[in-house]
Amino acid sequence: QVQLQESGPGLVKPSETLSLTCTVSGGSLSSFYWSWIRQPPGKGLEWIGYIYYNGSTNYSPSLKSRVTLSVDTSKNKFSLKLSSVTAADTAMYYCARGPSGSSGEEYFQHWGQGTLVTVSS
Amino acid sequence: SSEVTQDPAVSVALGQTVRITCQGDSLRSYYASWYQQKPGQAPVLVIYGKNNRPSGFPDRFSGSSSGNTASLTITGAQAEDEADYYCNSRDSSGNHVVFGGGTKLTVL
Repeated sequence: QVQLQESGPGLVKPSETLSLTCTVSGGSLSSFYWSWIRQPPGKGLEWIGYIYYNGSTNYSPSLKSRVTLSVDTSKNKFSLKLSSVTAADTAMYYCARGPSGSSGEEYFQHWGQGTLVTVSS
Repeated sequence: SSEVTQDPAVSVALGQTVRITCQGDSLRSYYASWYQQKPGQAPVLVIYGKNNRPSGFPDRFSGSSSGNTASLTITGAQAEDEADYYCNSRDSSGNHVVFGGGTKLTVL
């Protein structure tokens, strides 16, 4: 069974860069897309972006200028960097496998438990 | 703002049937997937594709689609179904992933 685990600082100062890593166990990164999704407190889910195991990326238009995703297949990890953070970036950050599916399908079957990142001085 | 929209809240009497909807132009080309999220927990995939359930998920959950609207139907809602439900698909360009704003389901 694939398991994902987020890790990284829980507190980031305004204007700095948020950095998180997702470690995947029970399966390989190969042949899958891997996403970051966030959820501000009391609000809905927001897709941040995904990276393919070969390194190709796709970012949310609203965050594209500040987001960088990377992948390390040798360590079975992928990472998120979000620059110039503000309080609006305070959220639970989830990593997930996907989007998966055949043509016309988009779904995320495996999620990490999430990590809360607070942006505050 | 999301390119797929959901009603913020829906309620259902225990044991009755409820439909939660997701609307967006992209749903004419893409299936919606559905997620259940309970307080303090990560989202869980409920329905994907035309009407597929991950193994072990109750068969009272089903999915359907018509035009620009996708629906999640719970037939015989149980108290444990009380949760937030999110749909996800692609945006109208087909280039990016989007989530609906979520629907809070209350089981009365």
